[in-house]
Amino acid sequence: QVQLVESGGGVVQPGRSLRLSCAASTFYFKYDAMHWVRQAPGKGLEWVAFISFDGTKKYYSDSMKGRLTVSRDNFGTTLYLEIANLTSEDTAVYYCARQSSTNYYMDVWGTGTTVIVSS
Amino acid sequence: SYVLTQPPSVSVAPGQTARIACGGSNIENTGVHWYQQKPGQAPLLVLYADSDRPSGIPERFSGSNSGNTATLTITAVEAGDEADFYCQVWHSGSDHWVFGGGTKLTVL
Repeated sequence: QVQLVESGGGVVQPGRSLRLSCAASTFYFKYDAMHWVRQAPGKGLEWVAFISFDGTKKYYSDSMKGRLTVSRDNFGTTLYLEIANLTSEDTAVYYCARQSSTNYYMDVWGTGTTVIVSS
Repeated sequence: SYVLTQPPSVSVAPGQTARIACGGSNIENTGVHWYQQKPGQAPLLVLYADSDRPSGIPERFSGSNSGNTATLTITAVEAGDEADFYCQVWHSGSDHWVFGGGTKLTVL
């Protein structure tokens, strides 16, 4: 079973950019479509972004569109999410998750990385 | 955008049956997936495609989907089932993945 480990979170000043990473434990990562999902403190899950296995398809949430870039390095088995122009509303735990190969759900989740936007 | 509506909370006594609803327009036309999230943990898939269970999920967890409502049913509820539950669909019209607002299951 693949394991996913996010990193790159921390305290960031408003207006700055941040790049989050998600490292997969297996070589087969290159066959997996992936998602980013976030959860603000005390709130529910919010889908953020999707990238196909080969990186040719990318979809973004409407609420954050224009500030997001999702990418992947299949040679290095790593997924990335860059968020520009951060605001306090971006404060959340960010999870990466693998999409099932057979349906539109997320069957493996990372443990999350916390982003706090504060001056 | 497509909206999924869940009750904020559901409470049941141990051993009873919990039912958590997820409402959406013509939701029966799309597969609904359910996640359990305990405090401080990542979400865990408990049902996919309306009613299928991943390996390791007890048979006590089941699901249905009809009309405008999908339902997660947990029979013989245990204290360890206490968690937040989220429904999720893929909205083909926008290529967006949508989560419900979540339901906190309390075991009395």
